[in-house]
Amino acid sequence: GAVVSQHPSRVICKSGTSVKIECRSLDFQATTMFWYRQFPKQSLMLMATSNEGSKATYEQGVEKDKFLINHASLTLSTLTVTSAHPEDSSFYICSAREGEQGPHSPYEQYFGPGTRLTVT
Amino acid sequence: GQNIDQPTEMTATEGAIVQINCTYQTSGFNGLFWYQQHAGEAPTFLSYNVLDGLEEKGRFSSFLSRSKGYSYLLLKELQMKDSASYLCAAMDSNYQLIWGAGTKLIIKP
Repeated sequence: GAVVSQHPSRVICKSGTSVKIECRSLDFQATTMFWYRQFPKQSLMLMATSNEGSKATYEQGVEKDKFLINHASLTLSTLTVTSAHPEDSSFYICSAREGEQGPHSPYEQYFGPGTRLTVT
Repeated sequence: GQNIDQPTEMTATEGAIVQINCTYQTSGFNGLFWYQQHAGEAPTFLSYNVLDGLEEKGRFSSFLSRSKGYSYLLLKELQMKDSASYLCAAMDSNYQLIWGAGTKLIIKP
């Protein structure tokens, strides 16, 4: 149980275009979802935390108008990178947490497989 | 401020034992996680400690001392597939994970 999927796994886009990444919890309801970015040989950097039905909380230095996060349901969150530039090329990973009502640990974050974004 | 420290890189021999240390400073504490991450892949959960002591799970064990702000991950009978980065993360009072930079473990035959 506790499976999280991400789509697409890899995407190449041109500079100036927008890219949407989907994160789905397949067998549980995710009350909280997290979006991370990871540059090569670096650790995870939390970008934002989103709770279902409310606005995402962005970490300092992350532009909320550039990285649009929508958590419209308990099983789906999307990250849209708007007007992408080459410096946005990175590995984007989502994770989901169930909360205290479900059978899974309320503290553990279950990670998706990641999305490799390359902006040319 | 909140901070996690772990070594950048470690090297060990196949079949041996290695201990990866992690020290943390957080605003409140709700547990310590260890994740394994292979290159180009997402992290996978290894362990969660919230009480002091040693938790054993097969070849991997994790230890926590809350008074010292210290944890370690112990890997026994190392295999080549254990070559990966190992991430230490402490959960603060807001249930947010504070991540270490990761320890790259290199296993040599």
